[in-house]
Amino acid sequence: KAGVTQTPRYLIKTRGQQVTLSCSPISGHRSVSWYQQTPGQGLQFLFEYFSETQRNKGNFPGRFSGRQFSNSRSEMNVSTLELGDSALYLCASSPPGGHPYNEQFFGPGTRLTVL
Amino acid sequence: AQSVSQHNHHVILSEAASLELGCNYSYGGTVNLFWYVQYPGQHLQLLLKYFSGDPLVKGIKGFEAEFIKSKFSFNLRKPSVQWSDTAEYFCAVGDTDKLIFGTGTRLQVFP
Repeated sequence: KAGVTQTPRYLIKTRGQQVTLSCSPISGHRSVSWYQQTPGQGLQFLFEYFSETQRNKGNFPGRFSGRQFSNSRSEMNVSTLELGDSALYLCASSPPGGHPYNEQFFGPGTRLTVL
Repeated sequence: AQSVSQHNHHVILSEAASLELGCNYSYGGTVNLFWYVQYPGQHLQLLLKYFSGDPLVKGIKGFEAEFIKSKFSFNLRKPSVQWSDTAEYFCAVGDTDKLIFGTGTRLQVFP
């Protein structure tokens, strides 16, 4: 079974631009979560989607948004990029049934650098 | 809101030394606890998890963790580390539909 895939793997943007990151979960997984990883803050939860609905959201500004499609693929968008948005963005998917965090499988991440 | 503390930010050991990484969480009710590992250049992987039952949990690669409810702790242990254990280790607690992670512990093992 293929793992969680994220595209692109690396991105360089400038302040003020916007960016869209994509995540394809493991086949059959319907829950997709997004995390931001930075050296100082560790991993911080952004949001979680299940069946195209956002079920939970972390403490990030409205510039961070996401969506999920009917095939469970998910995208996250960051508008008006700031230098502090430079981070590794991780996507994780969870198998159906039980708690969504019962077993989260992580993708390789997208490394975003904002100049 | 739940929180997770990992007090060891950077640990340096020689091969064959024993390892214990601390993890404390804030929530006093039923908890679901995890340890994840991120090897250099690799995906975050689940090492072990605790939901209920035996408080001593065994994971992959010889790791184990002990849930001590009275101390709000879930420390990770390994009796004898190897160079290949060099990685970043994250403790996490499940909260509704998300994981709350600690800030991580960077482990360096020298031959």
